[in-house]
Amino acid sequence: QKEVEQDPGPLSVPEGAIVSLNCTYSNSAFQYFMWYRQYSRKGPELLMYTYSSGNKEDGRFTAQVDKSSKYISLFIRDSQPSDSATYLCAMSGGYQKVTFGTGTKLQVIP
Amino acid sequence: DTGVSQNPRHKITKRGQNVTFRCDPISEHNRLYWYRQTLGQGPEFLTYFQNEAQLEKSRLLSDRFSAERPKGSFSTLEIQRTEQGDSAMYLCASSLIDLGEQSYTFGSGTRLTVV
Repeated sequence: QKEVEQDPGPLSVPEGAIVSLNCTYSNSAFQYFMWYRQYSRKGPELLMYTYSSGNKEDGRFTAQVDKSSKYISLFIRDSQPSDSATYLCAMSGGYQKVTFGTGTKLQVIP
Repeated sequence: DTGVSQNPRHKITKRGQNVTFRCDPISEHNRLYWYRQTLGQGPEFLTYFQNEAQLEKSRLLSDRFSAERPKGSFSTLEIQRTEQGDSAMYLCASSLIDLGEQSYTFGSGTRLTVV
């Protein structure tokens, strides 16, 4: 079993929809939770960073962490075609080695 | 500051040849990481440096792989006697110790194809 599980999709939604992306994990030592966006043939770009449990909002993006359930989510409101990319959840125990999910490929259709 | 720079962007090599990739981190970042990403997968940790010291290596990093960071600035990743299974995107990232994971910044990667 992988430490981090993420549905690879693909996920296809119409423009303006709310998108929900999720990951589960098994390592209780994870304290830092991130979401990265990766466009084709580019490196991952940090979108959201959260320490421990709770919610964090940044514009159209909301990240949620539930450590008791070992479950993290990313919500994208009013999705745009430019949001079409692969979204990677990532987490760390604070030693700066980051463990990634497999990524979910999202397509927002105009 | 132009971010993390990786060269070359693409490399095609014949099986059995040696290849070397270079990473130039963000200048004030003191940690540097190498990851490997295959198609449809997330990046997998290979190794990291704090300044010039290599502090951790993944078991994915076989003895054909070697990484260096002389003088704590740029880093090189060398693969000897390449195999087709080495075909992947090799990503470099850098960060600041004090800011931790939120300062993690990736380069655009070097895509290696072994034929």
